Amino acid sequence: AQSVTQLDSHVSVSEGTPVLLRCNYSSSYSPSLFWYVQHPNKGLQLLLKYTSAATLVKGINGFEAEFKKSETSFHLTKPSAHMSDAAEYFCVVRGNFNKFYFGSGTKLNVKP
Amino acid sequence: DSGVTQTPKHLITATGQRVTLRCSPRSGDLSVYWYQQSLDQGLQFLIQYYNGEERAKGNILERFSAQQFPDLHSELNLSSLELGDSALYFCASSDRDRGLAGGPVGELFFGEGSRLTVL
Repeated sequence: AQSVTQLDSHVSVSEGTPVLLRCNYSSSYSPSLFWYVQHPNKGLQLLLKYTSAATLVKGINGFEAEFKKSETSFHLTKPSAHMSDAAEYFCVVRGNFNKFYFGSGTKLNVKP
Repeated sequence: DSGVTQTPKHLITATGQRVTLRCSPRSGDLSVYWYQQSLDQGLQFLIQYYNGEERAKGNILERFSAQQFPDLHSELNLSSLELGDSALYFCASSDRDRGLAGGPVGELFFGEGSRLTVL
């Protein structure tokens, strides 16, 4: 069975400081993992994806995530937060038969 | 542009009414998913279709129903509407089902959503 846990419901950082959004997953086989971002009143946009290639995945807007099988983690990072990064972020694992499992979301607040 | 089209973008209706939300998936995608997002419940999976057949059900109320047509577009029907049904409804699509096979697989592509307001 697959599941996703986002460890923080809210994260607050100052502009220019690093961002870390944590995600742990469980999967009975090698998963495909994704991070999505949702700005207020907008749809969900793909930030990055891991599909069994390089374990360090680079995404849009300077975000990265590292797949760590031993820790069953897929944490999202960015070296320097920007005000425009304030949004909700979802970690997602894809299971078999086209099923997708969402984390509960992390709301990122960026302070000036 | 994700390639997933949802109509209408906004809809205002009264309690007790019925509405239909429409979704056209990305060209070539066989799977369609419906999600509901509200302030108090967050993002909730409703239902999934694959090539016209229901594949999985989530937290979908009995007052709600959906179908996927031969041309692969999908409709979500919401009836006997209540104030609590006010939400953003998202449709998403994904590529072909690889079942238990291995290999790289793709992501969900989301539409911009239909905002339903029930007064």
